[in-house]
Amino acid sequence: DVKVTQSSRYLVKRTGEKVFLECVQDMDHENMFWYRQDPGLGLRLIYFSYDVKMKEKGDIPEGYSVSREKKERFSLILESASTNQTSMYLCASSQGLAGGRETQYFGPGTRLLVL
Amino acid sequence: GESVGLHLPTLSVQEGDNSIINCAYSNSASDYFIWYKQESGKGPQFIIDIRSNMDKRQGQRVTVLLNKTVKHLSLQIAATQPGDSAVYFCAEINQAGTALIFGKGTTLSVSS
Repeated sequence: DVKVTQSSRYLVKRTGEKVFLECVQDMDHENMFWYRQDPGLGLRLIYFSYDVKMKEKGDIPEGYSVSREKKERFSLILESASTNQTSMYLCASSQGLAGGRETQYFGPGTRLLVL
Repeated sequence: GESVGLHLPTLSVQEGDNSIINCAYSNSASDYFIWYKQESGKGPQFIIDIRSNMDKRQGQRVTVLLNKTVKHLSLQIAATQPGDSAVYFCAEINQAGTALIFGKGTTLSVSS
């Protein structure tokens, strides 16, 4: 079974803090993704990566950055957290054989509250 | 622009009934669609996918129908069970073919 783990289930941070969300997958997948999920808005893609040290902007990259130094790990960074970044953050990975046309496997999510 | 939407945010059914969850998409060039199920406190899980060269695809108790003429996608769940209660998301491939665009989700509630 594919396993995608996220470093925290719940996180509380203060406005202006730098926040790191970590995601690790154990299936040697090429692709990794970060989404945020908000009520009534569904899942929105923040950033994705097709290879180590490679990143692509998604639909809502503003206020976020990412890092992929190792194939199995994809980090989402909030350089200066703001209250409008309070959300559920979901990480996903996929095999990478079919571009975006393949199953993505999701982690359990990190619920971030920015005060 | 690209967008994927669902007709109804909530759907309530009785156990044993068939459920139909609908989704409209806007990009007529999309050639790949996928359905996910998200249970409370968990990440989304893959249910079924379909490519645009097909009109219908069946899985275990689930069927996805694709109507390219009206840009409509539906997920049918046969003999709905309480364990099917979840939020269901449809998604389509983006124009670049690199990532999925998710709809807003439909919450399915199954009562016994």
